[in-house]
Amino acid sequence: AQSVTQPDIHITVSEGASLELRCNYSYGATPYLFWYVQSPGQGLQLLLKYFSGDTLVQGIKGFEAEFKRSQSSFNLRKPSVHWSDAAEYFCAVGPRFGNEKLTFGTGTRLTIIP
Amino acid sequence: DGGITQSPKYLFRKEGQNVTLSCEQNLNHDAMYWYRQDPGQGLRLIYYSQIVNDFQKGDIAEGYSVSREKKESFPLTVTSAQKNPTAFYLCASSNPPGGYTFGSGTRLTVV
Repeated sequence: AQSVTQPDIHITVSEGASLELRCNYSYGATPYLFWYVQSPGQGLQLLLKYFSGDTLVQGIKGFEAEFKRSQSSFNLRKPSVHWSDAAEYFCAVGPRFGNEKLTFGTGTRLTIIP
Repeated sequence: DGGITQSPKYLFRKEGQNVTLSCEQNLNHDAMYWYRQDPGQGLRLIYYSQIVNDFQKGDIAEGYSVSREKKESFPLTVTSAQKNPTAFYLCASSNPPGGYTFGSGTRLTVV
């Protein structure tokens, strides 16, 4: 069965520092990969997605993620975080064919300190 | 603009009551989903529907019911059989392979 692991439940970084959120997946084949962000009391917003091609994908709000097939990872990065980046981040995987039901990780809560 | 509308944003339920959460999309997406979110537990799938007049149970369907009579609409009823309904409920829709579009959620509280 497919699964997504986000090993960090909570991360705290200083404003202006770099950020990396980890995501590892277990899947039968190379899946489609997604990162979502959720502000408190809101729905999830798509940050970026990987389908094929260049393994480094750019998203909104200055985020990027790198797909590493050998490590089954899809880590999210940002060179310099802003206070407004404080939120919950979810990694998700989905099949390339058929039913698109996604499997979500349990999320990483990001706190930004001044 | 296309999107998903969930209503109401806040909902209060008395013990023994059924309540219905609304989810409407104008994205022409085929598939729709309902998730429950509790603190520290991520997203748990309640029901999903890939086409009109068809839906499947997710991981935590007990105490919930859905219908899919129109492509645009996928209402969720929280029945009195759901013993712990207080949670944040999220609706989503998709057309493969684009990923999900989420609504802004409904917070349900038992009073």
